[in-house]
Amino acid sequence: GNSVTQMEGPVTLSEEAFLTINCTYTATGYPSLFWYVQYPGEGLQLLLKATKADDKGSNKGFEATYRKETTSFHLEKGSVQVSDSAVYFCALSDRGGGSQGNLIFGKGTKLSVKP
Amino acid sequence: DADVTQTPRNRITKTGKRIMLECSQTKGHDRMYWYRQDPGLGLRLIYYSFDVKDINKGEISDGYSVSRQAQAKFSLSLESAIPNQTALYFCATSDLTGDQYNEQFFGPGTRLTVL
Repeated sequence: GNSVTQMEGPVTLSEEAFLTINCTYTATGYPSLFWYVQYPGEGLQLLLKATKADDKGSNKGFEATYRKETTSFHLEKGSVQVSDSAVYFCALSDRGGGSQGNLIFGKGTKLSVKP
Repeated sequence: DADVTQTPRNRITKTGKRIMLECSQTKGHDRMYWYRQDPGLGLRLIYYSFDVKDINKGEISDGYSVSRQAQAKFSLSLESAIPNQTALYFCATSDLTGDQYNEQFFGPGTRLTVL
């Protein structure tokens, strides 16, 4: 079945460091891919998405490119800030059968950015 | 006002008690979801509903039931709570336009503790 695997955390970086959080997926067909962010004490909110191969999603300085050949959707940011400290979830939308549109989430990666 | 609201935000209960978690949305979306979040496990789907008359089991529905009272309301019940149902519970909504699968919008979560 469909699945998402993302790097385990926690990840601790200094402010202005480069961030990469790896995400790979297994899916039949052509899923849409998402990164969600969960700030402390809050629900998840969409950070960025890509709906087809080679699309690049971007938001708030974060980027991720849909790579069909490597089944990956790695999250990157060139210079992280303390305010980026959160848990990041990679997800794909399930386009198969009766559960079309359901999201399948990775286990989350906790990022802590130190001043 | 928040688009997706959950009540209560926190609840402590005892083993064997019946608990209802409520979710309301003002986004006008047809699709609603209940997830639970556990440390290191990410989000797992409990139930989902594509409209008022369509309710489906998710990955981990055992021990839970739901009711879709209206387009805007989706309740989750634990008929007889047990300690391993201690978790953070999220409600989410989404819509489907064309061939694309849109983001899900999450509520702030309900932290449930079963003693």
